[in-house]
Amino acid sequence: TQLLEQSPQFLSIQEGENLTVYCNSSSVFSSLQWYRQEPGEGPVLLVTVVTGGEVKKLKRLTFQFGDARKDSSLHITAAQPGDTGLYLCAGANAGKSTFGDGTTLTVKP
Amino acid sequence: GAGVSQSPSNKVTEKGKDVELRCDPISGHTALYWYRQSLGQGLEFLIYFQGNSAPDKSGLPSDRFSAERTGGSVSTLTIQRTQQEDSAVYLCASSLARRAENSPLHFGNGTRLTVT
Repeated sequence: TQLLEQSPQFLSIQEGENLTVYCNSSSVFSSLQWYRQEPGEGPVLLVTVVTGGEVKKLKRLTFQFGDARKDSSLHITAAQPGDTGLYLCAGANAGKSTFGDGTTLTVKP
Repeated sequence: GAGVSQSPSNKVTEKGKDVELRCDPISGHTALYWYRQSLGQGLEFLIYFQGNSAPDKSGLPSDRFSAERTGGSVSTLTIQRTQQEDSAVYLCASSLARRAENSPLHFGNGTRLTVT
């Protein structure tokens, strides 16, 4: 069984602060995806990282895939209340995606 | 349709009854997944359909759970003799590519199942 551990589980910060959430595994993945989920909705894809060491930026969000393709991080600069949600990482192998338990982020105005 | 459609959006049932949850994937998507999510938690894989291949049922928690996909499109997840621990949000996702590595998952908004 391929397990993905996300940390922290919960994070509550003030608007304007920076934060990093982590996704770690003992398994190697062909690719890793980050999703954001809002209450009452399904997860929505933010980014896919494929190459070890890859860094992708999406506005204020920076995603990094570890060199060994076992871990990833998501850094948010100057967080805004609209960033509030459940952030999920998912590792893909053999046609199937395995999800972590998520990080619940609350950004207070 | 524009996205993955799931019905019903909410279902309340009594312990011991059977329920059917429906998923309409995005047209042309060959891969279809069912996941289960407890409140504020991650997604637990249940079952995966890819084209005409035999489904990957490795995530189904018990023999009370079954799923089918008719004509390579609509899928139904059936839970027999529901138990209170079955209460969760059941999410369906579809994907264009054969392999999850090559294509993101597009999720529906889920069916919230409550077993009383």
